[in-house]
Amino acid sequence: EAGVVQSPRYKIIEKKQPVAFWCNPISGHNTLYWYLQNLGQGPELLIRYENEEAVDDSQLPKDRFSAERLKGVDSTLKIQPAELGDSAVYLCASSQGTSLSTDTQYFGPGTRLTVL
Amino acid sequence: SQQGEEDPQALSIQEGENATMNCSYKTSINNLQWYRQNSGRGLVHLILIRSNEREKHSGRLRVTLDTSKKSSSLLITASRAADTASYFCATDANDSGGSNYKLTFGKGTLLTVNP
Repeated sequence: EAGVVQSPRYKIIEKKQPVAFWCNPISGHNTLYWYLQNLGQGPELLIRYENEEAVDDSQLPKDRFSAERLKGVDSTLKIQPAELGDSAVYLCASSQGTSLSTDTQYFGPGTRLTVL
Repeated sequence: SQQGEEDPQALSIQEGENATMNCSYKTSINNLQWYRQNSGRGLVHLILIRSNEREKHSGRLRVTLDTSKKSSSLLITASRAADTASYFCATDANDSGGSNYKLTFGKGTLLTVNP
């Protein structure tokens, strides 16, 4: 079974430029998550989708971040414009169901963003 | 904000020794999970322990949970060089009293197993 796929793996941009990350979850997984992981820290949830609906985007900085999950499968996360403080690893995860208590989240390898 | 805090921040042991990592959290939980992250990779789920469980085993892993102390421990027995990774605890907690439950991760323990 293929795991969660993310691209690109690495991205270097100058500040104020836009950037987009793509995630393909495990086939059949209804729930998709985007996390931000700063160096030396644990992941922090940005947004959670159940199918195509964003059910928790309370931690997403909506002035510059946006996300979409068209057709309830692939998802993209965009930053426009990027700031120096956005340098981090962006992780995508998926789970089959919607229960945090019982559904294991499977993580992709992440996209490491460097903003210069 | 981080819900869980792992202790120690870093741990270095020799192959064959046991490694113990601790996690403390702040609010009531339904379950607590442990994840492993190898350098430059995504997180891998290791084990889930429910709030009504006190101990759980999976292979060389043993997890304990003490809800009265709001703490958990992860024991890796007979460690191997391949166990070198960061280990995170994660709790499913209500976000600041609102209606959104989410997995909240600690800062992790960096385990180095020397061959």
